[in-house]
Amino acid sequence: IVMTQSPATLSVSPGERATLSCRASQSVGSNLAWYQQKPGQAPRLLIYDASTRATGIPTRFRGSGSGTDFTLTISSLRSEDFAVYYCHQYNKWPPDTLGQGTKLEIK
Amino acid sequence: EVQLLESGGGLVHPGGSLRLSCVASGFTFNEYAISWIRQAPGKGLQWVSAITGSGATYFADSVKGRFTISRDNSKNTVHLQLNSLRAEDTAGYYCAKVRSSKLHYFDYWGQGTLVTVSS
Repeated sequence: IVMTQSPATLSVSPGERATLSCRASQSVGSNLAWYQQKPGQAPRLLIYDASTRATGIPTRFRGSGSGTDFTLTISSLRSEDFAVYYCHQYNKWPPDTLGQGTKLEIK
Repeated sequence: EVQLLESGGGLVHPGGSLRLSCVASGFTFNEYAISWIRQAPGKGLQWVSAITGSGATYFADSVKGRFTISRDNSKNTVHLQLNSLRAEDTAGYYCAKVRSSKLHYFDYWGQGTLVTVSS
């Protein structure tokens, strides 16, 4: 299963909303996770089962979608949210497959 | 608190070998699978290998036949043996705890260890 994220880079101003997309080459149901990675750090789990926030993740992070099309929405962007975001399907593994990432940068 | 700590990375010549280790704490180790995910410099994440709590192993096609994975549940440790290394294996290698056998996402990650393959 190939995971395709868009856009590759997204420029958004602090306080605004960011919408990141992830598309699977075949249905993965709701078996999709999102991770956040900041420079020099390990990835961190944000969302699993397409829409469930992981422990400690703020409510401004919202995951949605099912089947092949998924969205991560971050409302009211804060400075600490600028990072690279990856989607990951775990419906059919091995192999686990991840998207190529979307870099969210400050506009 | 769940913690994962990788070690064993370094500089190795093409064709050489390295053994990476991942020491875990904060959960019942033998009940969970552990995966390795790598990240080439400036690139995205690529799943490499996984081992279940009972020892079943899985590999990405790009490393099959060259890498092996094992675990020592008495020491809460997973090892990833990297053989016949190539330049394209250069990456940061992360170990991650897998949430469950049916929910195969990575709920905790280590900080990573860097492998550089160069002559």
